Amino acid sequence: ETGVTQSPTHLIKTRGQQVTLRCSSQSGHNTVSWYQQALGQGPQFIFQYYREEENGRGNFPPRFSGLQFPNYSSELNVNALELDDSALYLCASSSRGRGEQYFGPGTRLTVT
Amino acid sequence: DAKTTQPNSMESNEEEPVHLPCNHSTISGTDYIHWYRQLPSQGPEYVIHGLTSNVNNRMASLAIAEDRKSSTLILHRATLRDAAVYYCILRVLAGGTSYGKLTFGQGTILTVHP
Repeated sequence: ETGVTQSPTHLIKTRGQQVTLRCSSQSGHNTVSWYQQALGQGPQFIFQYYREEENGRGNFPPRFSGLQFPNYSSELNVNALELDDSALYLCASSSRGRGEQYFGPGTRLTVT
Repeated sequence: DAKTTQPNSMESNEEEPVHLPCNHSTISGTDYIHWYRQLPSQGPEYVIHGLTSNVNNRMASLAIAEDRKSSTLILHRATLRDAAVYYCILRVLAGGTSYGKLTFGQGTILTVHP
């Protein structure tokens, strides 16, 4: 059973640019959630996808968007990057109806 | 979201039991109590969850107070690998299905001494 994987591991972007982060769910999981973790803070919920549709969103602006594909993998897109977007972005997969989520190692995004 | 309160930090010695407390006085009847931990430079890791009864798994035990206003995560024999930030989270059941949002607080930093 493969776990949750994320790519890339690290990324450096310039303010105003756009970025796409990718996540592959754990085998058998149909739900994906994305979180942002600033240095020294707990993860903050961005949104969740189930059956290729957004199924819940945290307090993040519309420039944070996502996709889920038929194989349950997912992308997080961030437009018009700001310095405060520098953070660890975490993807978590789960099975609908089950409580526990399984996290990937994260993508460290630095915006300069 | 119902709020949880945890100590900022705790220390333990290797091979001793560790009891990590969590207060959640505003918990509602359908909130599940979840625990996750995050080792340095890794994503959070699911530890255990429960609703009303105490729960055990290979990683830990979860003791839930009778009024559900507090809970305790128990690591029976701490190892150096257990040094991490431990998060106590209340997860809402919405519409009869699990809603994905986990609201993380600051958590408890556990230090394990050799």
